[in-house]
Amino acid sequence: DAGVIQSPRHEVTEMGQEVTLRCKPISGHDYLFWYRQTMMRGLELLIYFNNNVPIDDSGMPEDRFSAKMPNASFSTLKIQPSEPRDSAVYFCASSLAGPGETQYFGPGTRLLVL
Amino acid sequence: TQLLEQSPQFLSIQEGENLTVYCNSSSVFSSLQWYRQEPGEGPVLLVTVVTGGEVKKLKRLTFQFGDARKDSSLHITAAQPGDTGLYLCAGVDSNSGYALNFGKGTSLLVTP
Repeated sequence: DAGVIQSPRHEVTEMGQEVTLRCKPISGHDYLFWYRQTMMRGLELLIYFNNNVPIDDSGMPEDRFSAKMPNASFSTLKIQPSEPRDSAVYFCASSLAGPGETQYFGPGTRLLVL
Repeated sequence: TQLLEQSPQFLSIQEGENLTVYCNSSSVFSSLQWYRQEPGEGPVLLVTVVTGGEVKKLKRLTFQFGDARKDSSLHITAAQPGDTGLYLCAGVDSNSGYALNFGKGTSLLVTP
């Protein structure tokens, strides 16, 4: 299996622009997670899905962030409008069962908002 | 959100030395996981501990879960440069049953 695939790997944009991050989970995994990692705050859970349905989005920082999972093999995390404080590494992870099980992380998208 | 405090934040040692890193919380977790993250990559699971007092060994790595399931430690014997990375602990909340909370990690550098 190719593992969790994320794109783009790097994104540089200007403040106010829309940013879309993409994730393809491991085939057959029921759960998909979006995380954000910064030096200051560490790795934070933003939202997770079970069978394409959002279960917990309490970690989404504000209305500028939205996530969708239109099917079992694809998810997006969108930031509109982006701000410099959104600069971070965004990880997608997938799991066969619940959050207590092994999560397989993608390589991350490094986002820089100027 | 339950806070997981990891210490030390940074650790630089020479090859062959032993080290212990800690993961502490005031909350009880149903299980706790340790991950290692290398630069430019996502975290990779090393171990899951479930039972209070449990000890698990993975080659030169020894993981222990506290009796009260609030804390954990990772001990590395005879560290090697390949052990370099960010070590993260993550707890599954006993109350909600699903929130996965990560500590900020211990950044380990092992020099030859």
